[in-house]
Amino acid sequence: DAKTTQPTSMDCAEGRAANLPCNHSTISGNEYVYWYRQIHSQGPQYIIHGLKNNETNEMASLIITEDRKSSTLILPHATLRDTAVYYCIVRVALTGGGNKLTFGTGTQLKVEL
Amino acid sequence: DGGITQSPKYLFRKEGQNVTLSCEQNLNHDAMYWYRQDPGQGLRLIYYSQIVNDFQKGDIAEGYSVSREKKESFPLTVTSAQKNPTAFYLCASSISAKPYSGNTIYFGEGSWLTVV
Repeated sequence: DAKTTQPTSMDCAEGRAANLPCNHSTISGNEYVYWYRQIHSQGPQYIIHGLKNNETNEMASLIITEDRKSSTLILPHATLRDTAVYYCIVRVALTGGGNKLTFGTGTQLKVEL
Repeated sequence: DGGITQSPKYLFRKEGQNVTLSCEQNLNHDAMYWYRQDPGQGLRLIYYSQIVNDFQKGDIAEGYSVSREKKESFPLTVTSAQKNPTAFYLCASSISAKPYSGNTIYFGEGSWLTVV
């Protein structure tokens, strides 16, 4: 499985951009990078995903380096409701067919006034 | 609204008892998954199903069983053989489970199981 490395925690001031880094140096050429977030005792919420190109949606932007060994999730204007654990995940194929998301421990983002 | 419904949200089980967690989706997704999450930890894959009447073991299948008799339903049974079943259980689904697919996996709200 491709492993991901994220900082354990980060703080961000409300209204500022939150930039969450992720390293995935062993990623294969056809493996996607996904970002989810999880608020305590709730199911993970999908944010964004990408393969090679940078991606943007209504929630966030995903910047993937040219060598695909790292990526950054950007929340352009963080609010208190963005406080959550953010998971950077590489989607890997399973030997029996199918694929899975391998979750690490993520980054605890705390947005403060 | 379309989505994934898990029930019950909270469940208490006595040691030695089997318990079944329900997962229903109305997204018309072919693939469904069960994950387990322990406090402060990431998610670990228990079982997954790519299509009706088919399922495969994930990383931690011991002590669990599943069935996939209908496309929209993927119940998980936690058996008495599971040594440490107290955890947060998450069901998920995606359009397909094709390798290297870019389609999104969506999660339900989870079920808390506590063994007393």
